Amino acid sequence: ETGVTQTPRHLVMGMTNKKSLKCEQHLGHNAMYWYKQSAKKPLELMFVYNFKEQTENNSVPSRFSPECPNSSHLFLHLHTLQPEDSALYLCASSLSTRTENSPLHFGNGTRLTVT
Amino acid sequence: GENVEQHPSTLSVQEGDSAVIKCTYSDSASNYFPWYKQELGKGPQLIIDIRSNVGEKKDQRIAVTLNKTAKHFSLHITETQPEDSAVYFCAASMMGQAGTALIFGKGTTLSVSS
Repeated sequence: ETGVTQTPRHLVMGMTNKKSLKCEQHLGHNAMYWYKQSAKKPLELMFVYNFKEQTENNSVPSRFSPECPNSSHLFLHLHTLQPEDSALYLCASSLSTRTENSPLHFGNGTRLTVT
Repeated sequence: GENVEQHPSTLSVQEGDSAVIKCTYSDSASNYFPWYKQELGKGPQLIIDIRSNVGEKKDQRIAVTLNKTAKHFSLHITETQPEDSAVYFCAASMMGQAGTALIFGKGTTLSVSS
């Protein structure tokens, strides 16, 4: 049973749609992350939040907009996506952003398909 | 920035055999190297990690070795079982803007046949 829950598990959207991915962690962690997982590619870090504040934006296009209302919840708002944005989007959390002292815990991901 | 290379991309073994996955990294400042296992339909789960002040670490059937001079580290699974079949990712730490980020390898798909 994962302590990081992501919804929905699957999402199909058109290029003109607006949708949101949700992540909730029940581990008492202070840092939350969005990763993109594409086939045959390494996991790509997108955003990092620490105590609700965004600390890292890894040159992600503005059609991806994160929101972190508190340390337990993280959203990824999507609008005017491209087909190449189709991927598995993984949320993770850790006690702190010093990952060598506090390992990442991943959710099971949202499989996104952009048509 | 850090770059992590992982080999092989696929690995097939018979049940009971050993499996070895190797990774190399580029940033000599990296000091933390975790390994994650991802089963179908699930997110990656940490299975073992090693820090730069240690050369080897074991946990039952899995072990990790680190050679800081050569900048490579390896995952060893002994007495493989069908439930070991999954995608395995190595990672290396890199100092980011406000903490340490993990840079991941591309993954190794391990298939254990009975």
